[in-house]
Amino acid sequence: GQNIDQPTEMTATEGAIVQINCTYQTSGFNGLFWYQQHAGEAPTFLSYNVLDGLEEKGRFSSFLSRSKGYSYLLLKELQMKDSASYLCAVNNFGNEKLTFGTGTRLTIIP
Amino acid sequence: DTEVTQTPKHLVMGMTNKKSLKCEQHMGHRAMYWYKQKAKKPPELMFVYSYEKLSINESVPSRFSPECPNSSLLNLHLHALQPEDSALYLCASSQDLGPPTAFFGQGTRLTVV
Repeated sequence: GQNIDQPTEMTATEGAIVQINCTYQTSGFNGLFWYQQHAGEAPTFLSYNVLDGLEEKGRFSSFLSRSKGYSYLLLKELQMKDSASYLCAVNNFGNEKLTFGTGTRLTIIP
Repeated sequence: DTEVTQTPKHLVMGMTNKKSLKCEQHMGHRAMYWYKQKAKKPPELMFVYSYEKLSINESVPSRFSPECPNSSLLNLHLHALQPEDSALYLCASSQDLGPPTAFFGQGTRLTVV
């Protein structure tokens, strides 16, 4: 089976930086995805990591360590619109299935 | 066209009704998915179609019946649902080469009364 853990809730200040962690235990790891989901809306794709290291995309960066079963999503220069749930999801070899973590509800305060 | 389109956006149905959810994409993606999402929970996979064939069924009750008429369309037929089936139903698609990045539709908010 798979076990994917994230903090349930986080709060950060507008203009600051926040790091959202995701740990996973799985066999046949084939990549980790981060999605953003605003309340009542569909998840939207943010990033994908399959090799160790940091992937940067504008204000958002995602990091992966396969040996530690660990990823984080880093959000810089936080804006009020970044208030949302952030979901990490894992794919395994041999199928197209994404298994989602529990999600982290991020609240940005002025 | 980079969208996954779902209809209807909202649906209220009785426990004896039969209804269908529809999903369409024109990105040439060959994998299509149905996910179910309850409030404040992550999406849970229900079905995966790959090249128009059912490749994954996550032990979903038979009152949910998926159908893939062609590579662009995915339906979910609903019959004799229970109130606990009320949820957001999300369709997604992904390309057949490279990482299976799922692109989601806006979902159908289903209420069973």
